[in-house]
Amino acid sequence: DTGVSQDPRHKITKRGQNVTFRCDPISEHNRLYWYRQTLGQGPEFLTYFQNEAQLEKSRLLSDRFSAERPKGSFSTLEIQRTEQGDSAMYLCASSSGYQETQYFGPGTRLLVL
Amino acid sequence: EDKVVQSPLSLVVHEGDTVTLNCSYEVTNFRSLLWYKQEKKAPTFLFMLTSSGIEKKSGRLSSILDKKELSSILNITATQTGDSAIYLCAVEASGAGSYQLTFGKGTKLSVIP
Repeated sequence: DTGVSQDPRHKITKRGQNVTFRCDPISEHNRLYWYRQTLGQGPEFLTYFQNEAQLEKSRLLSDRFSAERPKGSFSTLEIQRTEQGDSAMYLCASSSGYQETQYFGPGTRLLVL
Repeated sequence: EDKVVQSPLSLVVHEGDTVTLNCSYEVTNFRSLLWYKQEKKAPTFLFMLTSSGIEKKSGRLSSILDKKELSSILNITATQTGDSAIYLCAVEASGAGSYQLTFGKGTKLSVIP
């Protein structure tokens, strides 16, 4: 499988708990993006990595959110002290340097009770 | 603030009909416009448009970008029930080395037999 993969696909958690999601981009894609999508809305940009460097963060990304891409390959997105408003689909996408089309993974659907 | 508006928000047609979906945008440092198809999972890439007036075509789907009017259309001819999905328009803007996508809310297309 050469597509973008995400894990887990679904996560149910209680308010106040921490959660971590993983994204494995298409191999050799140096750019990796995180988006959040709520029902009836298009995806919203959260943050972007080029290799291991986090180059941009949306103002939507509160202090409770942190993302890493330690070796320039897979990335993790952690949400601390989850709130019900964090319930959404979290999408990861990757692109290569010259083509730049972003290809999306299947997403992680988060439900905060 | 970058903005992408799609119309209509929803559309119901019969199999065999031809549909036109609209996307207009206001962004700084426009780089490209992309169309995605989203069923019950992550968005699937359809087209990327960077030059005005050039039609991209894939089977029954085609799209044109009008940079003067800051808009794009996606046409689907001879619609099939498998075309039922949400069609997302996204604009890629470049700045400070990033290429984040700004999405519209999508057009929900329902094709009935």
